[in-house]
Amino acid sequence: GENVEQHPSTLSVQEGDSAVIKCTYSDSASNYFPWYKQELGKRPQLIIDIRSNVGEKKDQRIAVTLNKTAKHFSLHITETQPEDSAVYFCAPGSWGKFQFGAGTQVVVTP
Amino acid sequence: SAVISQKPSRDICQRGTSLTIQCQVDSQVTMMFWYRQQPGQSLTLIATANQGSEATYESGFVIDKFPISRPNLTFSTLTVSNMSPEDSSIYLCSALAGEIEQYFGPGTRLTVT
Repeated sequence: GENVEQHPSTLSVQEGDSAVIKCTYSDSASNYFPWYKQELGKRPQLIIDIRSNVGEKKDQRIAVTLNKTAKHFSLHITETQPEDSAVYFCAPGSWGKFQFGAGTQVVVTP
Repeated sequence: SAVISQKPSRDICQRGTSLTIQCQVDSQVTMMFWYRQQPGQSLTLIATANQGSEATYESGFVIDKFPISRPNLTFSTLTVSNMSPEDSSIYLCSALAGEIEQYFGPGTRLTVT
């Protein structure tokens, strides 16, 4: 099965700085690489995803980069704001089969 | 995207009893899943709810403890049977919409006393 590692487990950043979270996976059959944001007491929300045939994808202040050879993908958040504070999960996999990482607690301080 | 609702949102149950959680999606979806999330932890997949057939369970989860139904393409139920305090957790349903995007319900917070 898929072995997923997510780093760091916690990340504190100053407002306006950038944050980067890395997710490493083991299953070479994985072809879908999403990131979820979960605020306290809320459901996980899909914030960005990438397919295996694409190296990078951007959506305003967030981006995901994929290195399929090295089996890792990263979430990049630029110009962080206090509302970016949450737990972020990666969940690499393929259709119908996803494995969630342990999560990264991001704290953005004003 | 898909809009997913769950009932109940929370419940407090006595050990030895059972609770059935309902999950409703606003559109027909191919796949639905049930997850468990302990406080401060990641999501653990319990099973895939298959329409018209038995659910597919992950290692460590069995049908007798977590029976699942999916009578159609928009609805599923998860029952937590013969509950113990260790079953206290948040239970989330999810569905695949679009090509592969996964969307989650708001969760059911279960406390077993």
